[in-house]
Amino acid sequence: EAQVTQNPRYLITVTGKKLTVTCSQNMNHEYMSWYRQDPGLGLRQIYYSMNVEVTDKGDVPEGYKVSRKEKRNFPLILESPSPNQTSLYFCASSFAAGGSEAFFGQGTRLTVV
Amino acid sequence: ILNVEQSPQSLHVQEGDSTNFTCSFPSSNFYALHWYRWETAKSPEALFVMTLNGDEKKKGRISATLNTKEGYSYLYIKGSQPEDSATYLCAPYSGAGSYQLTFGKGTKLSVIP
Repeated sequence: EAQVTQNPRYLITVTGKKLTVTCSQNMNHEYMSWYRQDPGLGLRQIYYSMNVEVTDKGDVPEGYKVSRKEKRNFPLILESPSPNQTSLYFCASSFAAGGSEAFFGQGTRLTVV
Repeated sequence: ILNVEQSPQSLHVQEGDSTNFTCSFPSSNFYALHWYRWETAKSPEALFVMTLNGDEKKKGRISATLNTKEGYSYLYIKGSQPEDSATYLCAPYSGAGSYQLTFGKGTKLSVIP
């Protein structure tokens, strides 16, 4: 089954404790991206990747890192999480950047206390 | 960052009513327009990806039209059902030096049985 898998689904952590949210897709998609969703602000892009070893900042990259060492995986790293990073996070993948539909993961609800 | 406007923000309709919403986006440097359906507690799912001016796409009772010259798209739902209750997101893609999909804040539809 074609899917984008994120883990964990829910996470409560403390300020400053490094964490990684994993994202994996099995569709051989080149384009992957991370979004955060906050009430009243909609989906905002954090980082995206056009292909292996090619990543770029989205609209709200501060406080986040990503890597794309393999085509299927695109982890999101929070080196020192802060409460303003409490949000719902989605990973998405697509065959091409904007000309084909995006497939979304199940979402990760992160709370930083 | 592309300026994407969706209207209305929310609406309530009776079961059986037909309804429509609007997505406005910059008409310059247009490449594609995406529509997604996002049910509560689930992930966004693609409805349509449209690229051609005047294009019309249909999936069951849902259809969409595209006007790239004036920068808008309409989403229509015919004979709304309670299961149509969701937030509908649009996302234009320009592809002009930016490989980002920028989402509008969505239209939240509630269908009252």
